[in-house]
Amino acid sequence: GQQLNQSPQSMFIQEGEDVSMNCTSSSIFNTWLWYKQDPGEGPVLLIALYKAGELTSNGRLTAQFGITRKDSFLNISASIPSDVGIYFCAGQNAGKSTFGDGTTLTVKP
Amino acid sequence: EAQVTQNPRYLITVTGKKLTVTCSQNMNHEYMSWYRQDPGLGLRQIYYSMNVEVTDKGDVPEGYKVSRKEKRNFPLILESPSPNQTSLYFCASSLWGTGYYEQYFGPGTRLTVT
Repeated sequence: GQQLNQSPQSMFIQEGEDVSMNCTSSSIFNTWLWYKQDPGEGPVLLIALYKAGELTSNGRLTAQFGITRKDSFLNISASIPSDVGIYFCAGQNAGKSTFGDGTTLTVKP
Repeated sequence: EAQVTQNPRYLITVTGKKLTVTCSQNMNHEYMSWYRQDPGLGLRQIYYSMNVEVTDKGDVPEGYKVSRKEKRNFPLILESPSPNQTSLYFCASSLWGTGYYEQYFGPGTRLTVT
């Protein structure tokens, strides 16, 4: 099946720093989504992107849908301790969803 | 409260003993999907359904069955579980046909097959 390469695999940052993570694919996706998963819970949607080139913000989070439809990035500004968790990108075509392997974010107070 | 529920949350079983994990949503969503998550990996899609009586394979359907007889329910069936199906399973649902595919996930079912 289709595969997504998500990087970095993990990040250790200081509170207040900005964070950037991205996903790339060899295949085109019509929709890109970013989720956050806390321990012991299901993923929660952060941002959904539906058009190539689209830049969308949700509070301190900003995500972009790459022009080629093969990549997306997520930025988190001014990180806080509750940003800790695993962040997943997902590409979707019709009913099929493909997830990246996740970026584990640790924020040091 | 709008939610996706899964039962059971935890299950330990033995190889070959048929089991069903139920999934139900109360948001009148057309689309439902099952995923498995293994350590260090993202979610891999097992099956999905875009409406009642319509199901399609995801990336890892082998060893699993699903049915969609009612809009709100989407059970996952393992007819002869094997140890390599030990995993964390998530059900999700979303609207369909609106152009917006924001999936809401259940709390997960941790399955151990010995």
